[in-house]
Amino acid sequence: DQQVKQNSPSLSVQEGRISILNCDYTNSMFDYFLWYKKYPAEGPTFLISISSIKDKNEDGRFTVFLNKSAKHLSLHIVPSQPGDSAVYFCAVSSGTYKYIFGTGTRLKVLA
Amino acid sequence: DAGVIQSPRHEVTEMGQEVTLRCKPISGHDYLFWYRQTMMRGLELLIYFNNNVPIDDSGMPEDRFSAKMPNASFSTLKIQPSEPRDSAVYFCASTTGTMSGTQYFGPGTRLTVL
Repeated sequence: DQQVKQNSPSLSVQEGRISILNCDYTNSMFDYFLWYKKYPAEGPTFLISISSIKDKNEDGRFTVFLNKSAKHLSLHIVPSQPGDSAVYFCAVSSGTYKYIFGTGTRLKVLA
Repeated sequence: DAGVIQSPRHEVTEMGQEVTLRCKPISGHDYLFWYRQTMMRGLELLIYFNNNVPIDDSGMPEDRFSAKMPNASFSTLKIQPSEPRDSAVYFCASTTGTMSGTQYFGPGTRLTVL
């Protein structure tokens, strides 16, 4: 039933190392993919996105990779910093404003 | 800009009571979204509006839930009667009708139904 899955509920990484967050989706019709970050007691904030015509998009320390054949999306954070500790949600859409979000992965970056 | 404003931030009520959550979108944004976040299901879209008109309400869980947008700067999500399983964090988000369509979220309302 879940169209978007984030199979790792939590992840711990040492400061300075790479954080890799994963997301799988089921429908090949999805053509726009996003990552949001959420701190406690705040709303999610947009982090980075990618359209289906690309397989990589980079913004500073954050890179999103899209593997359409595997229906897999990943977010790489290099180097990880303690301020990156948050819950990360992936989201997908198919040409509309209707986003479908995953259940989130809680990232903890250890100093 | 003040961002998306939601009120109240916390709401505790008893089962059977009516609950009304409020949202003020960012000025100039013509899309408004209501989401619910739970541990089990993550962020679920309940309903969204374009130019104050409901476009997709397929995520509204049942008839106890209703949403309105009487004007461009105000929306409500009402639950009547409320049940313990409605306990969650409810977010409102808004965006403009641009290609990127990045949604800007409010801080959320944490609802607890006893």
